[in-house]
Amino acid sequence: AQSVAQPEDQVNVAEGNPLTVKCTYSVSGNPYLFWYVQYPNRGLQFLLKYITGDNLVKGSYGFEAEFNKSQTSFHLKKPSALVSDSALYFCAVRDRGSTLGRLYFGRGTQLTVWP
Amino acid sequence: DTAVSQTPKYLVTQMGNDKSIKCEQNLGHDTMYWYKQDSKKFLKIMFSYNNKELIINETVPNRFSPKSPDKAHLNLHINSLELGDSAVYFCASSQGMRGGGTEAFFGQGTRLTVV
Repeated sequence: AQSVAQPEDQVNVAEGNPLTVKCTYSVSGNPYLFWYVQYPNRGLQFLLKYITGDNLVKGSYGFEAEFNKSQTSFHLKKPSALVSDSALYFCAVRDRGSTLGRLYFGRGTQLTVWP
Repeated sequence: DTAVSQTPKYLVTQMGNDKSIKCEQNLGHDTMYWYKQDSKKFLKIMFSYNNKELIINETVPNRFSPKSPDKAHLNLHINSLELGDSAVYFCASSQGMRGGGTEAFFGQGTRLTVV
């Protein structure tokens, strides 16, 4: 069975500090991994994805994520948080061997950046 | 240009009514989805269509009926609305039935409130 875990419902950081939003996954095959962000009363916006190659992927707004196959993790990071980064973040996984392309989402992590 | 657009953005209706939500994408994608986001922000896939063909039909009450007149449109009709149907419904699209490494693009959501 495919699943995604975001172990923290909330992450609070001070502006200027580094941030990490954690994600671990479970798929039967090799994964495609995604991060999305949702601002209040908005749809999900794509941030970045891991397909293959370099385990460190860079995305929009200065975010990056590191794929760790041995730990089945894909944590989202940013070196210096901004107040405007405050939002709900979703990790998602798709099984590479899937014939249906279904995306499985984590339950989301609310990031709050304090000024 | 809005890539994935849903109408209406807000929908307030009484129990027992029938309502529809419309979705259109101008990205040229051949796969479209409906997701439901509950009050705890959990995202669950409901349906997926590829080139007007239903390919994913999760355990959803049969009061919910998707319709895809062409690959750019995927509408959601809900009969006999119940209080528990209150949620935010997101339409999304992506290229390719298997999805692969392509990200899904989301609409801004329709907030349905059943009173």
